[in-house]
Amino acid sequence: QSALTQPASVSGSPGQSITISCTGTSSDVGGYNYVSWYQQHPGKAPKLMIYDVSSRPSGVSNRFSGSKSDNTASLTISGLQAEDEADYYCSSYTSSSSTWVFGGGTKLTVL
Amino acid sequence: QVQLVQSGAEVKKPGASVKVSCKASGYTFTNYYIYWVRQAPGQGLEWMGVINPSGGSTSYPQKLQGRVTLTRDTSTSTVYMELRSLRSEDTAVYYCARDWWAKYNYGYYGYWGQGTLVTVSS
Repeated sequence: QSALTQPASVSGSPGQSITISCTGTSSDVGGYNYVSWYQQHPGKAPKLMIYDVSSRPSGVSNRFSGSKSDNTASLTISGLQAEDEADYYCSSYTSSSSTWVFGGGTKLTVL
Repeated sequence: QVQLVQSGAEVKKPGASVKVSCKASGYTFTNYYIYWVRQAPGQGLEWMGVINPSGGSTSYPQKLQGRVTLTRDTSTSTVYMELRSLRSEDTAVYYCARDWWAKYNYGYYGYWGQGTLVTVSS
């Protein structure tokens, strides 16, 4: 059982927007802004998409955005494209163990 | 350019140990924390630990305490991950990753190695 809870799957049509949630506690997501998101295509290493809850590394499309409310962080992808189909993981620092934890991952299907 | 190159695939028997290397290049090795993350077949990501290449300090999750050790060799810019008392559940792809920002361990995995498959089987 992962420390952070994500939906197992989400789907959307090209051009639409989708949001993936990542729910934790006040000891992790709710208590710190050290939240990041990763995209992973099959057989590939993950790629950093969002850090500091809502900041994008250089080179990441502005179609990807992050936010946080209370104990839940969210990743929104607008203008869905076929290449966005992948697994997405959230991560956060947790003070309960002074370590980092991942969400269980969400499979995004572009219909 | 930043590169993390890991050692090759390993096959081990239950109870054995494995040591995976991660050689860094393209940046100042001692300025960035290195993390290890593993992924069992068809499963999600699991955080395994972090090392400060500058001083060598480490942190591990409670689940792996006593079985995992991270070390570094600053002369070769290489980080090592050793996992002991292997069991079938340790079969996974093991990744090293570098923090996005220098000097602090934010837990932002900005650069990744190519992954090393470790198979534990009798």
